[in-house]
Amino acid sequence: QKEVEQNSGPLSVPEGAIASLNCTYSDRVSQSFFWYRQYSGKSPELIMSIYSNGDKEDGRFTAQLNKASQYVSLLIRDSQPSDSATYLCAVKSGGSYIPTFGRGTSLIVHP
Amino acid sequence: DGGITQSPKYLFRKEGQNVTLSCEQNLNHDAMYWYRQDPGQGLRLIYYSQIVNDFQKGDIAEGYSVSREKKESFPLTVTSAQKNPTAFYLCASSIEGTGPNSPLHFGNGTRLTVT
Repeated sequence: QKEVEQNSGPLSVPEGAIASLNCTYSDRVSQSFFWYRQYSGKSPELIMSIYSNGDKEDGRFTAQLNKASQYVSLLIRDSQPSDSATYLCAVKSGGSYIPTFGRGTSLIVHP
Repeated sequence: DGGITQSPKYLFRKEGQNVTLSCEQNLNHDAMYWYRQDPGQGLRLIYYSQIVNDFQKGDIAEGYSVSREKKESFPLTVTSAQKNPTAFYLCASSIEGTGPNSPLHFGNGTRLTVT
């Protein structure tokens, strides 16, 4: 059974701080990693995807992947109240490549 | 604009009734998926389809049925056999079928309440 683990939170950070969201996965042959943001009552929207070890930056967002340690993280710099949402980690592995989702981490950015 | 349209947004049904949720996409994506989300839970896969006239069960297919007669459409029927149907249902699609680097794009969801 492929597992994707996230701390449910809530993670509370002050406005302007760096928010760090973490995700671990169990399947060593996982190849693709995605971060989605989901506002309350809304559907998930893709923020970042990462496929290789290291960092990938897009604006205020940085995804970090470490396949040896089987974790992927999302850093949000200069956090804004509008970043308050649940962040879902999704992992695709070999074989069927159907993504497995974590339960998500709730982020609260307070003014 | 291209996208995925789910309808209706809210759906109310009496226990024992079958109900069909609509999902249409104009992104020309090959693969389509149905997920269920319960409060505080992640997304659980119900069914997926890589090509027209073919679909596969996901992790929680019992009590659900689907069809894929057209590339653009992937309706989900929640049958009376589904014991706890009240949930938020999400339809998604991806461009490369189930290729490794293809992210999912989601519709806006249908919130089903069964009483």
